[in-house]
Amino acid sequence: GAGVSQTPSNKVTEKGKYVELRCDPISGHTALYWYRQSLGQGPEFLIYFQGTGAADDSGLPNDRFFAVRPEGSVSTLKIQRTERGDSAVYLCASSPNRGRVNEQFFGPGTRLTVL
Amino acid sequence: AQSVTQPDIHITVSEGASLELRCNYSYGATPYLFWYVQSPGQGLQLLLKYFSGDTLVQGIKGFEAEFKRSQSSFNLRKPSLHWSDAAEYFCAVGLDQTGANNLFFGTGTRLTVIP
Repeated sequence: GAGVSQTPSNKVTEKGKYVELRCDPISGHTALYWYRQSLGQGPEFLIYFQGTGAADDSGLPNDRFFAVRPEGSVSTLKIQRTERGDSAVYLCASSPNRGRVNEQFFGPGTRLTVL
Repeated sequence: AQSVTQPDIHITVSEGASLELRCNYSYGATPYLFWYVQSPGQGLQLLLKYFSGDTLVQGIKGFEAEFKRSQSSFNLRKPSLHWSDAAEYFCAVGLDQTGANNLFFGTGTRLTVIP
């Protein structure tokens, strides 16, 4: 079956612009996660959805970052007034999470470059 | 606070040789432990996981890992490397707390395999 997909695969933008990154999870997975991976680092947690609601957004670095999952499937990560420090690979993962820790299935990521 | 340490940033090993990648975690209780592999341009793929039970777990591609509670370690091993094993390897910890189901990743170990 289809895995987690993310679009676009690459995004180049200018400082101060707004970007949206999309994640399409595995069908039936109720949990969805966003991570950010900077060069030479492991993924860092941003936000976790259980269904439509953000169960944990403690990893969002500031209020320029926002994510939605209106129908409990596709999610969009939105970054306002982008800064050069936002350049990273943004990873999405989904899991058949039923309130417990479980294996997460990762997408290929979106590489964001802010010039 | 929980943390994951992968002390080896880069390892070079000959094809056919054995491999051990180190992972240490800091957490007050028994965590859920994972090893993921990331090839260039690819998403993270789960190699194996430990939740409970037998402390020696088998994964895909001939990898295994051993959970040692006394050492807070979860080292990854493979008896004979193939050139296709060259990739970045990440150890991750998941915490069994309601609403906190994200993973904490180490900084990764890059594996180079020489023919």
